[in-house]
Amino acid sequence: DAGVTQSPTHLIKTRGQQVTLRCSPKSGHDTVSWYQQALGQGPQFIFQYYEEEERQRGNFPDRFSGHQFPNYSSELNVNALLLGDSALYLCASDSAGGVGEQFFGPGTRLTVL
Amino acid sequence: GENVEQHPSTLSVQEGDSAVIKCTYSDSASNYFPWYKQELGKRPQLIIDIRSNVGEKKDQRIAVTLNKTAKHFSLHITETQPEDSAVYFCAATYNNAGNMLTFGGGTRLMVKP
Repeated sequence: DAGVTQSPTHLIKTRGQQVTLRCSPKSGHDTVSWYQQALGQGPQFIFQYYEEEERQRGNFPDRFSGHQFPNYSSELNVNALLLGDSALYLCASDSAGGVGEQFFGPGTRLTVL
Repeated sequence: GENVEQHPSTLSVQEGDSAVIKCTYSDSASNYFPWYKQELGKRPQLIIDIRSNVGEKKDQRIAVTLNKTAKHFSLHITETQPEDSAVYFCAATYNNAGNMLTFGGGTRLMVKP
């Protein structure tokens, strides 16, 4: 039973560029959430996707957008990258009909130069 | 929105001693409180959780207590071992359709052999 997977593991970009991160949820899960974890801080909620639609959104600008595919996998896109976007991006999945436990992927380490 | 505060930010204990980490939350509607352990360079892993309809939950050396009136919850680790060394995060959410977790700032626990 595969857990949550993410790609790529690491990514280096320059300011102004755009980036796409990918996530496959745990088998049996249909809801995907994205979090940004800056160094030394707790994860911060970006948004959540369910039934291919954004269901909830945290306090992040429109430069952050996402998508969910029919197979429940998801993408996080960030446009016009800023130095402050450097962080670990975590994907978490759970089941809409479940009891709330979210399982995290290994994350993508994004460095913006 | 929800705000979660976590204390202490660092905690150093001797192997075999107990460790206690405390969190407070602001939204009285929150009803699900998970705790995650994050080792260096790895994903957050759920170690225990508690729902608002119970006051305490135990799993071997780990226990969590919840005081809904005071809006605080705590993680207790007994008989600490060096492998317990990690960063621990508390979180809170209203467990409805869409579990947007709000995390505390984290506690770095160091267990000295």
